[in-house]
Amino acid sequence: EPEVTQTPSHQVTQMGQEVILRCVPISNHLYFYWYRQILGQKVEFLVSFYNNEISEKSEIFDDQFSVERPDGSNFTLKIRSTKLEDSAMYFCASSERGRDHEKLFFGSGTQLSVL
Amino acid sequence: DQQVKQNSPSLSVQEGRISILNCDYTNSMFDYFLWYKKYPAEGPTFLISISSIKDKNEDGRFTVFLNKSAKHLSLHIVPSQPGDSAVYFCAAITAAGNKLTFGGGTRVLVKP
Repeated sequence: EPEVTQTPSHQVTQMGQEVILRCVPISNHLYFYWYRQILGQKVEFLVSFYNNEISEKSEIFDDQFSVERPDGSNFTLKIRSTKLEDSAMYFCASSERGRDHEKLFFGSGTQLSVL
Repeated sequence: DQQVKQNSPSLSVQEGRISILNCDYTNSMFDYFLWYKKYPAEGPTFLISISSIKDKNEDGRFTVFLNKSAKHLSLHIVPSQPGDSAVYFCAAITAAGNKLTFGGGTRVLVKP
């Protein structure tokens, strides 16, 4: 079965450093998302991306965050200057169609620890 | 942000019995509701959904009930199996939106 692949599975970084979280969505999918879950809290929407642009973003997704689809296969989330409160599990997700949340596939996540 | 709330953080049930998971929401603009299941070290996977125009949807051992007037939905798993042990998230979406709003999750343990 096709799957969304995220790398690395764990990332440790120092506060203030830049990190890039990488995702390879399912190949024929056109809609891409990032969600995150801070330990003990809810899964929260960060951003959705379609047709090479952001279609929706949350209040969390401030100027420190950016997303990019640099080639036909990767979808990245960059945090420019990490803060302690950015420590969370970050999930990438993709779907073939918009609002097709029954066929929204999540990756296994990247656990980001900011020290 | 308490738009979607799962009040029971955990649930323990005997194999073969019914598991009932509850979810409450406050945003009346939500028109579609989903349940996702999550195992450790994996991302959430879709389980079952219901549109706001329905009050029940059934898929095998899983049934979701929606009470719009009470802004409440529940997931029934019957019979529960040990492989159902996981964290279950309730999620909701508005008609115009494209983002899921999740509840905090309920950890289910099915004992053999």
